Amino acid sequence: SQQGEEDPQALSIQEGENATMNCSYKTSINNLQWYRQNSGRGLVHLILIRSNEREKHSGRLRVTLDTSKKSSSLLITASRAADTASYFCATEGYGNNRLAFGKGNQVVVIP
Amino acid sequence: DAGITQSPRHKVTETGTPVTLRCHQTENHRYMYWYRQDPGHGLRLIHYSYGVKDTDKGEVSDGYSVSRSKTEDFLLTLESATSSQTSVYFCAIRRGADTDTQYFGPGTRLTVL
Repeated sequence: SQQGEEDPQALSIQEGENATMNCSYKTSINNLQWYRQNSGRGLVHLILIRSNEREKHSGRLRVTLDTSKKSSSLLITASRAADTASYFCATEGYGNNRLAFGKGNQVVVIP
Repeated sequence: DAGITQSPRHKVTETGTPVTLRCHQTENHRYMYWYRQDPGHGLRLIHYSYGVKDTDKGEVSDGYSVSRSKTEDFLLTLESATSSQTSVYFCAIRRGADTDTQYFGPGTRLTVL
């Protein structure tokens, strides 16, 4: 299985602080993706990092990937109350056309 | 919004009854997926489809069947619902040409009593 596992499971921070989440996986991957889920809603794709990339940015998001350690991190800078959500990592293997999702990180940003 | 709708959005049913959930897309994407989401388990793939009449099992397919007779519709059927199938069900489509970037529907909350 390529299921990602996020760490920590729950995070509570003050608005304006940075939030960091980690994800580990077990086998080789084509890419790793991060998704956000607001309460009661479907998942929303945030960012994708390919296996040959080490770092990627999108707005206030920064993702790193260390394939030697089979791990990734998602950093949200200058957090806002609207960032309160669950965050999932998902890995895509080679040629299997499916994603393996982790169990999710719940982030609460306190105004 | 990727033009994905799910119906019904909420359903309460009794053990042993058949249930069909519908996923509808408006963008003609080839790949469609059904997941279930449960506390402590994240998202788990039930079945997916890679074209009309082409489907394959995911990691938790027991007790579920799917059908795709048209590109736009992907149906998930619980032949005889059990309480363990109480869950939130999400449909997703794949949009990326060379990566499996997925876009999700709003979900269906199913309660089996």
